[in-house]
Amino acid sequence: GENVEQHPSTLSVQEGDSAVIKCTYSDSASNYFPWYKQELGKGPQLIIDIRSNVGEKKDQRIAVTLNKTAKHFSLHITETQPEDSAVYFCAASINTGFQKLVFGTGTRLLVSP
Amino acid sequence: EAGVVQSPRYKIIEKKQPVAFWCNPISGHNTLYWYRQNLGQGPELLIRYENEEAVDDSQLPKDRFSAERLKGVDSTLKIQPAELGDSAVYLCASSLAGEYTGELFFGEGSRLTVL
Repeated sequence: GENVEQHPSTLSVQEGDSAVIKCTYSDSASNYFPWYKQELGKGPQLIIDIRSNVGEKKDQRIAVTLNKTAKHFSLHITETQPEDSAVYFCAASINTGFQKLVFGTGTRLLVSP
Repeated sequence: EAGVVQSPRYKIIEKKQPVAFWCNPISGHNTLYWYRQNLGQGPELLIRYENEEAVDDSQLPKDRFSAERLKGVDSTLKIQPAELGDSAVYLCASSLAGEYTGELFFGEGSRLTVL
């Protein structure tokens, strides 16, 4: 089955800096890659996603890149703010007619003022 | 519009006791998921429903876990008897039917502690 590895497990940055979180997946059939943000005591919330026919997608301060050949994808957050502090999860899904996401182990991002 | 509602938020029980979690998905979402999230880990799928039908329960430990979704709306996840290793956050999520790349909407989760 699919296996998703995520690193780093923790990331500390100063406000205004950029943050990059990287994930690799094992199954070349995976074709959907969302990123979820989980704040303390809350459920994960989708922040951005990318499909395998696209190499990069951007939404304001966040962007995701996908390298299908290398089977890895990354989340980029620019101009980080304290409210970006949370745990971020990458995930991968194969089109089997329904969504079966396999999540990474998460990255705890801490943005210091 | 209300999001996914779960209860209870917290539950502490002794091992071998039963426990049940309840989920009310977003109105109109036919697909419902139960995930388990261990401390410091990502969510892992336990079971997925399309309306009343459990279409993927391959990860559900069927010896002690059971789930139901009567009438295709609310769902209940039960553990009986609970073991120490069942301590985790149980997340319910819902999505629009048929969207394999659609957004999952998660509830706030039910945190289970087994003593």
